[in-house]
Amino acid sequence: GESVGLHLPTLSVQEGDNSIINCAYSNSASDYFIWYKQESGKGPQFIIDIRSNMDKRQGQRVTVLLNKTVKHLSLQIAATQPGDSAVYFCAENDSWGNQFYFGTGTSLTVIP
Amino acid sequence: DAGVTQSPTHLIKTRGQQVTLRCSPKSGHDTVSWYQQALGQGPQFIFQYYEEEERQRGNFPDRFSGHQFPNYSSELNVNALLLGDSALYLCASSTQAGGPGQTQYFGPGTRLLVL
Repeated sequence: GESVGLHLPTLSVQEGDNSIINCAYSNSASDYFIWYKQESGKGPQFIIDIRSNMDKRQGQRVTVLLNKTVKHLSLQIAATQPGDSAVYFCAENDSWGNQFYFGTGTSLTVIP
Repeated sequence: DAGVTQSPTHLIKTRGQQVTLRCSPKSGHDTVSWYQQALGQGPQFIFQYYEEEERQRGNFPDRFSGHQFPNYSSELNVNALLLGDSALYLCASSTQAGGPGQTQYFGPGTRLLVL
């Protein structure tokens, strides 16, 4: 089955710096990926997504990069702010497109 | 435009009891997925409902069952509760328009504690 994992469980950055969160996936047939942000006591919040026919996608202060050769996904947050402190999950769609597989998450802490 | 809503927000039950959790999808969405999130872990897929039928199921026992109503809202039922069922239960809604592999939007979750 598919598995999604994260390289670093915790990440601390200074306010204003850029953050990079990495994720590895195992199913080369996965064609849709989402990054979610989850604050304490809340449900996961959609940040940005990317399909397998793309290598890069940009949103407001966030960029997702997909490297299908090594099955790696990353989330870049520009000018990180205290409000960005949360747990970030990458999620991989299964072959039928119905369920997402989540990694264990990376906890991002922004130091003011 | 209301997002995904879930009720109740918190629930305390004892072992062996049964529980029902409720979810209303985002406006315009017709598909509801349920996930279980244990403390410190990522969400785990339980099942998905579309057109009032369970269309896919994760690795969860039959004690976990669900239902989808004509208005697309959904319920998750868990029978014979175990201590290990304590978790945050998340509902995610999506639409089948455009085919499979659509974005799932999550509700705030129901925190279940089994004593």
